[in-house]
Amino acid sequence: GQNIDQPTEMTATEGAIVQINCTYQTSGFNGLFWYQQHAGEAPTFLSYNVLDGLEEKGRFSSFLSRSKGYSYLLLKELQMKDSASYLCAVRDGNYQLIWGAGTKLIIKP
Amino acid sequence: DVKVTQSSRYLVKRTGEKVFLECVQDMDHENMFWYRQDPGLGLRLIYFSYDVKMKEKGDIPEGYSVSREKKERFSLILESASTNQTSMYLCASSLWSDSGANVLTFGAGSRLTVL
Repeated sequence: GQNIDQPTEMTATEGAIVQINCTYQTSGFNGLFWYQQHAGEAPTFLSYNVLDGLEEKGRFSSFLSRSKGYSYLLLKELQMKDSASYLCAVRDGNYQLIWGAGTKLIIKP
Repeated sequence: DVKVTQSSRYLVKRTGEKVFLECVQDMDHENMFWYRQDPGLGLRLIYFSYDVKMKEKGDIPEGYSVSREKKERFSLILESASTNQTSMYLCASSLWSDSGANVLTFGAGSRLTVL
């Protein structure tokens, strides 16, 4: 079957760096997405990786290794507003999106 | 900015009632989707649509139907609500493209409780 694994919850300190991992096993691969979802709000798009390597967008970066079935989202200079759930999703060989259960990130002062 | 608007944020219904969840997007997106989001699970696709009057079953279509009479509107219908349909329902839309990211834009969600 197809599977996306990410940690359920992580805690980090304001101003620090945190890495949220995502591992996947899918039938084919056509891209990996990260979305951010604040409590009670809509998920919003953060990043898209289809080739191996690091994509940087301001304080957020996303890395992909297709051979390892692995991605991470790196958040630098953490701010309180970064407290949210982070959803990893993989588009499989049939272009269907498979979603992880999300990682709840708690930022402490 | 693209907006996806879900008409009801919170609904409480009784078992057996018919429930309509409405979703409207304002940026002429071809694709529209209905997901449900439950604690500890990834988003699960209920139905999607690539065009007006067109619908395709997702991973969990049982107990649901959809309607897309206009490009901007995609409705989810629960013909006879049951307690196991208590959930957060998310509508999303995206542009059609045969390559590239096809980023989803989500609505804020409709939290349905079935008693």
